[in-house]
Amino acid sequence: QSALTQPASLSGSPGQSITISCTGTSSDVGDYNYVSWYQQHPGKAPKLMIYDVSNRPSGVSNRFSGSKSGNTASLTISGLQAEDEADYYCSSYTSRSTLVYVFGTGTKVTVL
Amino acid sequence: EVQLEESGGGLVQPGGSMRLSCAASGFTFSSFWMHWVRQAPGEGLVWVSRINTDGSYTDSADFVKGRFTISRDNAKNTLYLHMNSLRAEDTAVYYCARYRNSYEYIDFWGQGTLVTVSS
Repeated sequence: QSALTQPASLSGSPGQSITISCTGTSSDVGDYNYVSWYQQHPGKAPKLMIYDVSNRPSGVSNRFSGSKSGNTASLTISGLQAEDEADYYCSSYTSRSTLVYVFGTGTKVTVL
Repeated sequence: EVQLEESGGGLVQPGGSMRLSCAASGFTFSSFWMHWVRQAPGEGLVWVSRINTDGSYTDSADFVKGRFTISRDNAKNTLYLHMNSLRAEDTAVYYCARYRNSYEYIDFWGQGTLVTVSS
């Protein structure tokens, strides 16, 4: 199953900003504004952080923002905090014949 | 409060079968599409299967087609995943998830249940 491509790891100091990229194809990220982002702490269930490219659910900090350009979506975390250390996954609706919904490879964010 | 609670995981031998359940509460279960997503140990999230609101439509990833069946009982507010011909590579935490069909995203996840396929 072909996943969306994310950097394996990123790190930043408290207060800094980091941006996680999520690269897909014209069959998913590039063709639909249905990109979402999930945060997952170790041993926990994923939590929705961004949906439909740039929308934040109620209760999610405005330090998290999303965008998209072409086949690549991005999640930016501003004012990095210790609690942001987690794995982050993007996902997208897809029109690929064998899939309905595709996830990214995941990015481990470390707060230095 | 939205709650999804999976159960039914455990150890099963290769070639065996297992049924996972997901009890939903805190929302109108029959109004939402539902999905199963799995995560192998140390690996990423992988979409497995989905079902529409009344159970009349289902779809699954190629690697489980013919082996796994998703179903639901709206009277019991419960989602199921029937798994047959299990393989070692099916070892994973299985999450049930609520889906926003009009906007195409998962908005809530259960805590997951671990399925281990091993002899």
